[in-house]
Formats: sequence, structure tokens, C-alpha cells
Amino acid sequence: GAVVSQHPSWVICKSGTSVKIECRSLDFQATTMFWYRQFPKQSLMLMATSNEGSKATYEQGVEKDKFLINHASLTLSTLTVTSAHPEDSSFYICSAARFAGGRMANEQFFGPGTRLTVL
Amino acid sequence: DAKTTQPPSMDCAEGRAANLPCNHSTISGNEYVYWYRQIHSQGPQYIIHGLKNNETNEMASLIITEDRKSSTLILPHATLRDTAVYYCIVRPRNSGNTPLVFGKGTRLSVIA
Repeated sequence: GAVVSQHPSWVICKSGTSVKIECRSLDFQATTMFWYRQFPKQSLMLMATSNEGSKATYEQGVEKDKFLINHASLTLSTLTVTSAHPEDSSFYICSAARFAGGRMANEQFFGPGTRLTVL
Repeated sequence: DAKTTQPPSMDCAEGRAANLPCNHSTISGNEYVYWYRQIHSQGPQYIIHGLKNNETNEMASLIITEDRKSSTLILPHATLRDTAVYYCIVRPRNSGNTPLVFGKGTRLSVIA
């Protein structure tokens, strides 16, 4: 259990277009999801925290109007990169927090990531 | 501010034990030690976590010093598929509403 999927796994787009990335918790409900970005040879950097039914909380330096986050249901959060530019090319990873009983209660599970390349 | 310190890289021969150290000298009483790994171009994968007792699961063992200021992740028989970046993270348990904060981790290379 505790599987998180992302779609698409990779995408190539032209500069100026918008790209939507989906993050789904497949077998559990996630009231909180997180979005990370990772540049080559660097660690994961938190972009925003997404709570179901409310506005996302963005980290300092992340433009909320450029990276639109929608957490419309307990199993789906979307990240839309608007007017993408080459510098937005990166590996985008989501994680979902699961609230359940047991030793792994309230832990986070990561999606496989989405590689975005903006030409 | 960094809460953990790990060596940037390590090599390990295939079939041998890989011992990955982590210093967390400022860990507080309610914080657990978590280990995740990230294989190239994949999302992070949970490995193990512990509070003060040593822990073992099907993937690895976690040895935490008595003063809890450091720990070691042990992969008993490393394989080529264990080549990854390993992250040591300290955080309170049941803090699912707060994100995991990743440091630079240790890049483990398992060599045939």
C-alpha cells in the first residue's frame, strides 16, 4: 500500500506554454501533499505544501502565480507550471502524507517524479 | 540550518556491507531519525526510521548511538541496485503535515 503516482512521467514543451502535472495517492487519502523540485546533482527543494480544499503554502522564492497548485480532492493534487521557460526545466516530485494507524502513521510517500524539459 | 551531517560520497564493493554514517548532534528528544534513498531519476524511497533503539527491516538496519547524536544505516549485502543518494533526516514522528527537509545526502556507489 501507500502508492503515489505522478502523470506524466516526462514532458517536453515549448517555451511559453503551460504544463500540468498530476499527483495521485492511489490507495489512501492524503489531506496534505507536498511539491518538490530537483535540479541536476542537487537535493530536493520544497516548493509548496498543498492542503485539500485550501490554498497552497509556498516556500520563499517560489512564485505562486507561476506554479499553480490545486488540491481538489483527498487523492489528487495538481501542479501547473504556467508560461514555462527553459529555467523551469527540472525534476518535479510530489509526496503525500497518509494519516493511518500503525508505526508508519502520518508518514510521507513519494511519487516517481516528472521530468520537465522546456525548449 | 542543517540538522544532519553526512559524507558526500562513499563506495562499497558489491556483496559487502555498506555503512552510512549520519551526525545529528542537535537532535531533540521527540525527534526520530529517518533514512530515505533516491535512485537516479526516481522519487525518494523510505528505508527505515528509529528513535533510540536499533531497528531492522527487510531493507536495512539502523544503529543509533546511546546519546542519539549519530546513527549508521547498514545495508548488509549491498548490490548494484543499492547505488543511490541516501538521506538522513531528523523530524518528530506524526508530523505528516510538515514536509521532509532534504540535505545533500550521501551518494553511495556500489561497485562490482
